Amino acid sequence: NAGVTQTPKFQVLKTGQSMTLQCAQDMNHEYMSWYRQDPGMGLRLIHYSVGAGITDQGEVPNGYNVSRSTTEDFPLRLLSAAPSQTSVYFCASSTQQGPFEAFFGQGTRLTVV
Amino acid sequence: EDQVTQSPEALRLQEGESSSLNCSYTVSGLRGLFWYRQDPGKGPEFLFTLYSAGEEKEKERLKATLTKKESFLHITAPKPEDSATYLCAVQDWGDKIIFGKGTRLHILP
Repeated sequence: NAGVTQTPKFQVLKTGQSMTLQCAQDMNHEYMSWYRQDPGMGLRLIHYSVGAGITDQGEVPNGYNVSRSTTEDFPLRLLSAAPSQTSVYFCASSTQQGPFEAFFGQGTRLTVV
Repeated sequence: EDQVTQSPEALRLQEGESSSLNCSYTVSGLRGLFWYRQDPGKGPEFLFTLYSAGEEKEKERLKATLTKKESFLHITAPKPEDSATYLCAVQDWGDKIIFGKGTRLHILP
């Protein structure tokens, strides 16, 4: 059982470039979310989805886009990367909305130069 | 304003030396309080969900308790493999989620 798989693990972008962080889960969970983790701060919710076709904004959504066309996949798009988006990004899935027994991926470490 | 504060920021213990980590919270209406463990370079791993004051949950050497203002994660006779960062989070009934900054725990053999 793979759980939550994130790709890539590491990425360096130049300011202004765009990219997509991939997230896939094989547990048939309805709820998926994206967080960012920065030094000295707690995890912050970017976007979440309560099911295929339904997404909503979290605490820090600016500069990010999401879609949920299938139950399994929840990609996060950076539209025009900025140095402030340098962070570690985690995707999570669970059976309820929120961090209820959530399964997290291994993370994507993104550096924007 | 909803808030989560974890203390201490870091804690070093000898193997077998029991202690507690604190998570103080302010939330308009608590839907759930969560404890996670995070190892370096990995994603958080779920430990416990607590719903109401007075609730307690245990797992191996860990025991989580909840009051109306704070939660404690008690670690009994820890082993070096318990070394990790422990994260506390709350969710309110408006589905706002706040994570604390974590407590880095290091158990010395």
